[in-house]
Amino acid sequence: DIQMTQSPSTLSASVGDRVTITCRASQTISNWLAWYQQKPGKAPRLLIYDASTLESGVPSRFSGSRSLTEFSLTISSLQPDDFATYYCQQYDNLWTFGQGTKVEVK
Amino acid sequence: QVHLEESGGGVVRPGRSLRLSCAASGFSFSTYLMHWVRQAPGKGLEWVAFISYDGTTKYYADSVKGRFTISRDNSNNTLYLHINSLRGDDTAVYYCARQDSSSVWRNWGQGTLVTVSS
Repeated sequence: DIQMTQSPSTLSASVGDRVTITCRASQTISNWLAWYQQKPGKAPRLLIYDASTLESGVPSRFSGSRSLTEFSLTISSLQPDDFATYYCQQYDNLWTFGQGTKVEVK
Repeated sequence: QVHLEESGGGVVRPGRSLRLSCAASGFSFSTYLMHWVRQAPGKGLEWVAFISYDGTTKYYADSVKGRFTISRDNSNNTLYLHINSLRGDDTAVYYCARQDSSSVWRNWGQGTLVTVSS
């Protein structure tokens, strides 16, 4: 089974900050990785797929990148609406989510 | 407009069974792969089960294998999850999600809460 190790588990930041969340896969998954945003009581929302493709309608301040088995989600300038929990998901071999990163107000 | 709506959750005693439903509308249900995902209170997302277009191929997370059964009724545009021998750690919000042809999950239901308690 492919394990996804996501870090940090919590991130304290301020509006305007550049924020980066990382996910490491236990084996190669090519670019088969997605990022989701989830707010309390809501279903996850797709942000990025295929490691770096921005989903339609998602602000351009969100971006994704890959270096071998390490993947990153970057928010270039954190906005008030971005305080939420973020999850990575691999879909190379079955499906696995990272543990989640809560972005909270500093 | 794509819409997925889960139902069937509630408070259930340990050891009992439950069937969750996911009613699909706004798209051709039979041409999409489908999943169930769950989220325990205050915890992260856990993929639970997958089913192919015609229901002939199914995959399960190791944590639910043998107790959970995913199925679908394409004539009624409905996805199901049957859970046997419910345990406390099955307490969670259960979501259904649609997988697009590009392997991406763009559409999710709002979730249905299952609480296992005596």
